[in-house]
Amino acid sequence: DAKTTQPTSMDCAEGRAANLPCNHSTISGNEYVYWYRQIHSQGPQYIIHGLKNNETNEMASLIITEDRKSSTLILPHATLRDTAVYYCIVRSLFGGGTASKLTFGTGTRLQVTL
Amino acid sequence: DVKVTQSSRYLVKRTGEKVFLECVQDMDHENMFWYRQDPGLGLRLIYFSYDVKMKEKGDIPEGYSVSREKKERFSLILESASTNQTSMYLCASRTRRRGNTEAFFGQGTRLTVV
Repeated sequence: DAKTTQPTSMDCAEGRAANLPCNHSTISGNEYVYWYRQIHSQGPQYIIHGLKNNETNEMASLIITEDRKSSTLILPHATLRDTAVYYCIVRSLFGGGTASKLTFGTGTRLQVTL
Repeated sequence: DVKVTQSSRYLVKRTGEKVFLECVQDMDHENMFWYRQDPGLGLRLIYFSYDVKMKEKGDIPEGYSVSREKKERFSLILESASTNQTSMYLCASRTRRRGNTEAFFGQGTRLTVV
């Protein structure tokens, strides 16, 4: 799996958009970008994933650059409950065996403040 | 409601004890994973399994073994617990089926080895 680089921590005011960057310069053509988050004392939770087009769901938007070497997760109106560690992962979408592996990094700790 | 259940939320064991951490999922997923999480190190993959009786080493398998005798159950075994295995352990599962890519996590087991 391609390695990802994320800032260690970020702050965001409640009600504002939180933009979390991720670099994945060694991503290969069949690898997707996934985002998970982990709220304190809980297991990680899936947020969104994409290949090359921008994606949006009820939780967030994912913007992937044209060269696919970086992406940004956008929480459009951050709330205090969005305070969590956010993980960016790249991996192939399908496949069994060792392709099943999910590798997490250290993520970005997002602190949403009043 | 989909579920990944870990047998214990908190566990205290003595050095040298054999420890079993159990994980059960009710989603008929092929892939199951064990991670440990430590401050500053993020989630690190210990072992994963992509089918019954199949297992693959992750990034930090030393001191651990696993068992997957049934599809729904994935056990992590500490043959002789040591204090450096004090950690939060997280189990996850994921399907290989096309179109469904989300990994589901359990709530975690906080293991203390004294």
